Amino acid sequence: SAVISQKPSRDICQRGTSLTIQCQVDSQVTMMFWYRQQPGQSLTLIATANQGSEATYESGFVIDKFPISRPNLTFSTLTVSNMSPEDSSIYLCSVGAGAETQYFGPGTRLLVL
Amino acid sequence: QQQVKQSPQSLIVQKGGISIINCAYENTAFDYFPWYQQFPGKGPALLIAIRPDVSEKKEGRFTISFNKSAKQFSLHIMDSQPGDSATYFCAATGNTGRRALTFGSGTRLQVQP
Repeated sequence: SAVISQKPSRDICQRGTSLTIQCQVDSQVTMMFWYRQQPGQSLTLIATANQGSEATYESGFVIDKFPISRPNLTFSTLTVSNMSPEDSSIYLCSVGAGAETQYFGPGTRLLVL
Repeated sequence: QQQVKQSPQSLIVQKGGISIINCAYENTAFDYFPWYQQFPGKGPALLIAIRPDVSEKKEGRFTISFNKSAKQFSLHIMDSQPGDSATYFCAATGNTGRRALTFGSGTRLQVQP
């Protein structure tokens, strides 16, 4: 399985600010995804990070709020913009391996005050 | 995203007992069904997965049972151990090109010594 790292592992931010989360994989992967996991809840897909093109966002998530970059096949960033307390969540990146399998990073725990 | 329904929300099992978690799906285009295990403060880890062309898959103490006609699948943990105490998520994905996962709501399992 791929080794996935995320930075930062956790952060406490003030409302109105932005935070960029990095996801690094130890091998080239075609598919990378960003998920949100609100406290005590399940995982919800934010977007698919496409290398060389704009990310594909799920219903309820917009590029202005969650801009995503994917400059190469091993790296992606997710920015949470103009944060509010409702953005307090765990943000997880995952990578596709093979046709269906996905592996997840350790997550970034965000608290917005 | 198409829904995947998971039950129970929480489960308490005695050490050595069998833990059973159930999931049901609606979208017949789903063709891959993984289970993830998540410990507090960690990202979800792939546990076991099944495709609809088989009715059962076993890996060690973990077994997936799959009923294609009923659109249901379940995870059985045999000889449950305190170290199995975690949150378990079922998920599903279909051949839509980008292979995003749709997750169940999660089951918090507690195995008592």
